[in-house]
Parts: sequence; C-alpha cells; structure tokens
Amino acid sequence: QSALTQPASVSGSPGQSITISCTGTSSDVGGYNYVSWYQQHPGKAPKLMIYGVSNRPSGVSNRFSGSKSGNTASLTISGLQAEDEADYYCSSYTSSTTLIFGGGTKLTVL
Amino acid sequence: EVQLLESGGGLLQPGESLRLSCAASGFAFSSYGMTWVRQAPGKGLEWVSGINENGGATYYADSVKGRFTISRDNSKNTLYLQMNSLRAEDTAVYYCVKSMVGLLRGYFDDWGQGTQVTVSS
Repeated sequence: QSALTQPASVSGSPGQSITISCTGTSSDVGGYNYVSWYQQHPGKAPKLMIYGVSNRPSGVSNRFSGSKSGNTASLTISGLQAEDEADYYCSSYTSSTTLIFGGGTKLTVL
Repeated sequence: EVQLLESGGGLLQPGESLRLSCAASGFAFSSYGMTWVRQAPGKGLEWVSGINENGGATYYADSVKGRFTISRDNSKNTLYLQMNSLRAEDTAVYYCVKSMVGLLRGYFDDWGQGTQVTVSS
C-alpha cells in the first residue's frame, strides 16, 4: 500500500499559522478516526503530537491542532515558533489491519 | 519514566538473519501493545509490525510478511523482531515503539532511540 500523501515541504514565518495535509482513501484516513501526527527533529525519535484526529497528548502545546474532512486529515500549527521546524508525519489505521504513514513534510520556519 | 532500549543492529549481507531486541522499563509492559517502525536513510517512517499485549495477535507490513517475526517475552519485559532473508531495502533505523492505547490506531507515545540495521554486500 502506498504512503499517505503529504506535501514535501511547507514554510511560514514566526507567529504565522501553517497547515499540513495528509490525503489517503476511504480505506484508511476517510474510513477511520485513527489519524495521528508525529514531529521529528533531525537525529531524534518521532514525538506524538496529535492522536485520534484531533486529540493532543499531555504536554503538547495547544498551538497544535488536528482535523479531518473526507479522505484528508490536516495538522495546523498556529503561532509558529523556531522550535517547530522539523519533519511531520501523519499515520492512519487501514482496512487491511495495518498502519500506514505519510511520506513526511519538512516544515521550515523562515 | 518509560525507557525503550533497542539492541542487536549491525551490518549484514543480503540473505542473512538478525534478531533485534527492545528492553522496556518504567511501565507495565504486559499491558501494552508494541510496534516496530523503521526509517531508511533520508526517508520517511514505515510501520513494520505490531503485537498485542499477550502476544496472541501479530500484524505485519506486506514488505516484511513471511520474512520478519515479531514476538515478546512479558516475563523479561522484552520485545523482539526476528529478521530473515534480509534485503538491501531493509536498511534502516529500527524503532521500538509503545502504543498508548490499542495497537493499530497509531497512538505511539513512547519511542526508543533506534538501532541501525545495514544490509549490504
């Protein structure tokens, strides 16, 4: 199964808001509310930022929010900060009883 | 504090076998599903395999099905990944991951530091 589709890169200035999309099919993103988002800084392990489409784990800033419409999920980061510069990955449960990740999006804070 | 410590990585030739281990501490290991996720050099994350709390249910990505076997020993708080018939495309950092709840929902709240597996002739 191919990876979920994410833009290769997005950018924004400090204080701005950006949105990263994650597009799948009705067999994964569109069919289940099991979409998660991960942040990964260079050389580090990924960190869970959003689970269950729109839930934030304890300790994650409320500047991070998630949503879903149809087969596309989105991660929005508001009040962009320099420390937000990282790679972001979405994931989803699939009807094949597997898990699939997106190809990843590199966020650059200008 | 949750700790997941992977070991067993190395440099191998195509066709060889390797077993990764992940020693868990800081949580009730037998109460959580566990997963292996890998990341090839400069590439994205790839889900590899998952196992439920008691080891009775296992799941695999198509890319490793029939070659890799996930298992766990709850008495030793350890997760394993037996990797057979290794290929160059298996070259990656392998992460041991704890599921916050459920197994295939992708709620991975704790990750190990990863262990490098390199397959090259």
